Amino acid sequence: DQQVKQNSPSLSVQEGRISILNCDYTNSMFDYFLWYKKYPAEGPTFLISISSIKDKNEDGRFTVFLNKSAKHLSLHIVPSQPGDSAVYFCAASAESNYQLIWGAGTKLIIKP
Amino acid sequence: GAGVSQSPSNKVTEKGKDVELRCDPISGHTALYWYRQSLGQGLEFLIYFQGNSAPDKSGLPSDRFSAERTGGSVSTLTIQRTQQEDSAVYLCASSFDPQGTLGYTFGSGTRLTVV
Repeated sequence: DQQVKQNSPSLSVQEGRISILNCDYTNSMFDYFLWYKKYPAEGPTFLISISSIKDKNEDGRFTVFLNKSAKHLSLHIVPSQPGDSAVYFCAASAESNYQLIWGAGTKLIIKP
Repeated sequence: GAGVSQSPSNKVTEKGKDVELRCDPISGHTALYWYRQSLGQGLEFLIYFQGNSAPDKSGLPSDRFSAERTGGSVSTLTIQRTQQEDSAVYLCASSFDPQGTLGYTFGSGTRLTVV
């Protein structure tokens, strides 16, 4: 039973355009969400997070949107740059539970 | 060091052999996690250490897997009698806050291949 789903295994975006990565979850107890980026042969790197009390969090080119009613969150990267090419993981946790539940990842390819 | 260090970076072992994977967390990080990533899968939680508390071993897939953390710092994940399905990248992470909600710092992982 996948509680966190990233339904797009890969996404290809033109450099300079917006990249939108999607994540759906099923557990209504989740109240904290994180996005990680992973390059080959490296560990995931924390990108941005959002608490369920907010619906948007922005950090430079990265913005995460949370739609609690739809149990959906998305990561927007604008403008997309070649260095953004990586696998992006969505993760979620419930209050007082340190276990992060991870999606399977979406491979983002930025085309020059 | 400045980051989470894992060794070895790659390990090829024969089915049935035991392996030990090592993790050096960031100094001062009290929380340490082990995850694994199988091909095409998300990260799977294995075990969590927090300070001197008893570890949460609920994610360990079988009794062939065990882990310890000595002195609240270095951790070793041991897999006994390895099987081909154990092949994966094993990632260690540490965090300053117990719940890791400020983000974890991951090591580069150990790629384990069981042949």
